[in-house]
Amino acid sequence: EAGVAQSPRYKIIEKRQSVAFWCNPISGHATLYWYQQILGQGPKLLIQFQNNGVVDDSQLPKDRFSAERLKGVDSTLKIQPAKLEDSAVYLCASSEGPTDTQYFGPGTRLTVL
Amino acid sequence: QKEVEQNSGPLSVPEGAIASLNCTYSDRGSQSFFWYRQYSGKSPELIMFIYSNGDKEDGRFTAQLNKASQYVSLLIRDSQPSDSATYLCAVMRGSQGNLIFGKGTKLSVKP
Repeated sequence: EAGVAQSPRYKIIEKRQSVAFWCNPISGHATLYWYQQILGQGPKLLIQFQNNGVVDDSQLPKDRFSAERLKGVDSTLKIQPAKLEDSAVYLCASSEGPTDTQYFGPGTRLTVL
Repeated sequence: QKEVEQNSGPLSVPEGAIASLNCTYSDRGSQSFFWYRQYSGKSPELIMFIYSNGDKEDGRFTAQLNKASQYVSLLIRDSQPSDSATYLCAVMRGSQGNLIFGKGTKLSVKP
């Protein structure tokens, strides 16, 4: 069974630029999560989708971050404009349902200069 | 008070010893508890989950939960250098499946 796929794996941008990350969850997983992991910290949930609907986006900085999962499968996370403090690893995870085991993708390491 | 607290370490143990990793949480309504292992530069991978008070064993790993004390721990028996990683404690709240992670404890197993 293929795992969670993410791209790109690494991205370096300057502040105020925009960036987008892509995630393809495990086949059949209805729930998809985006986490932000700053160096030395645990992952922090940014947004949770159930199929193509948003379940929780309470910690998403909506003035600069947006995410979508239009067809209930792949998802994109966008940052516009980026700030220095957005430098982190962005992890996508998926699960069969909201209380099932979450499986993480390899992450995208973002550096904002 | 942080929602999920872990000693950041590093915790250093000799090969073959028992490593004990601890975690406390603040929300008494939390129902499910997870231990993830994260190697440097890699993504978290699930080791164990526990829902009920008491011990749960899986190979060299034992998770312990005490809801009255709001405490969960992970014991690693016969520690190996390959166990050297950061161990993340995560607590699930409510029915939406939100995971709240601690900062992680860095474990180093010395040969």
